[in-house]
Amino acid sequence: QKEVEQNSGPLSVPEGAIASLNCTYSDRGSQSFFWYRQYSGKSPELIMSIYSNGDKEDGRFTAQLNKASQYVSLLIRDSQPSDSATYLCAVKGTGRRALTFGSGTRLQVQP
Amino acid sequence: EAQVTQNPRYLITVTGKKLTVTCSQNMNHEYMSWYRQDPGLGLRQIYYSMNVEVTDKGDVPEGYKVSRKEKRNFPLILESPSPNQTSLYFCASSLYGGSYEQYFGPGTRLTVT
Repeated sequence: QKEVEQNSGPLSVPEGAIASLNCTYSDRGSQSFFWYRQYSGKSPELIMSIYSNGDKEDGRFTAQLNKASQYVSLLIRDSQPSDSATYLCAVKGTGRRALTFGSGTRLQVQP
Repeated sequence: EAQVTQNPRYLITVTGKKLTVTCSQNMNHEYMSWYRQDPGLGLRQIYYSMNVEVTDKGDVPEGYKVSRKEKRNFPLILESPSPNQTSLYFCASSLYGGSYEQYFGPGTRLTVT
């Protein structure tokens, strides 16, 4: 079992819809969770961090964390074609001084 | 402008020819890290550094070396590159070891023939 799992996609949504991206992790003691966006050929860019159970909203983005079920999700409201990218979930596990990344979900927003 | 820079951005080399990829940040970050990114495998950490003269192995350190003599610089050294080290490499930094909101450099695409 991978430490951080994401569906590779592509996830295709129409413009204006809500895109829902999911991530599960295996280390129950993990405390810090991050979502990065990576455009093709570019470097990852941090878009959200979440540390406690519940929802965290930032503009059109909402991160949701459920530690009991060991999943973290990212919702993108009013999806735009410019949101088309690969979204990487990253988790800091217990006893590690590093992030573990999922392999990413490719999102396609259709105009 | 706050940034992480890497050089070179693209490199094609031959097996066994030593090379260094430089990484520099201007944000006074303590923590720096190197990753490689391969299709289907995602980002995997090679080495990281908590501060000057403090480095440690990540998940895939074999075939790589690093040094941290200055806070701003964290070069990645491949002493004898092999074709399986063909990959996209990213350097990243964060304010301190407990803050994992990392900022990534633009990447170095390395091809070893």
